Amino acid sequence: GAGVSQSPRYKVAKRGQDVALRCDPISGHVSLFWYQQALGQGPEFLTYFQNEAQLDKSGLPSDRFFAERPEGSVSTLKIQRTQQEDSAVYLCASSSTTRIGGTYEQYFGPGTRLTVT
Amino acid sequence: AQSVTQPDIHITVSEGASLELRCNYSYGATPYLFWYVQSPGQGLQLLLKYFSGDTLVQGIKGFEAEFKRSQSSFNLRKPSVHWSDAAEYFCAVGPNTDKLIFGTGTRLQVFP
Repeated sequence: GAGVSQSPRYKVAKRGQDVALRCDPISGHVSLFWYQQALGQGPEFLTYFQNEAQLDKSGLPSDRFFAERPEGSVSTLKIQRTQQEDSAVYLCASSSTTRIGGTYEQYFGPGTRLTVT
Repeated sequence: AQSVTQPDIHITVSEGASLELRCNYSYGATPYLFWYVQSPGQGLQLLLKYFSGDTLVQGIKGFEAEFKRSQSSFNLRKPSVHWSDAAEYFCAVGPNTDKLIFGTGTRLQVFP
């Protein structure tokens, strides 16, 4: 596709339920990032993939959060036993190995708004 | 610690007026600096970026930003604001291949 797509766009979960959020990066993009954006805040880094390898997961807030990218393309962010504090917009971004003017630009998807009730 | 500060949570300007959004950063190495815009329900769109060279960078939609190392600042400017510029603006810092660190954002409201 032309850009990064995410699904679902909106998700309501009852506390304790598991959720899975999908990210389709731009075709051919090697790098994939997940960010969490709480209401009224800037995005915060969660995790980073280069192809299928998860190179950095230092931002994952707890072991209830798990991300995968098994074939180096589509990625899924899974949250187990959701809590109210997990309510946020989850943004996915991808970038290529081609430097654009000296840096690898990250292209963001529209996000998935997760509400935990 | 690496951080970005956007001191203004909310700014209101009249259409046609000039705009300056402030951004200060703390970063141990040479910073790569970015400004993103986020409209309601939309993802982040890159307005402009700085990594080296001329400290005044031009971006899309008529925006520009100036890197001032001595002040650790990267303020965003536009000479004449349009109603369609109303959105949330985020400053970010990071290395060129890694995660970005964002500020808390500035919400811009434009009055006709």
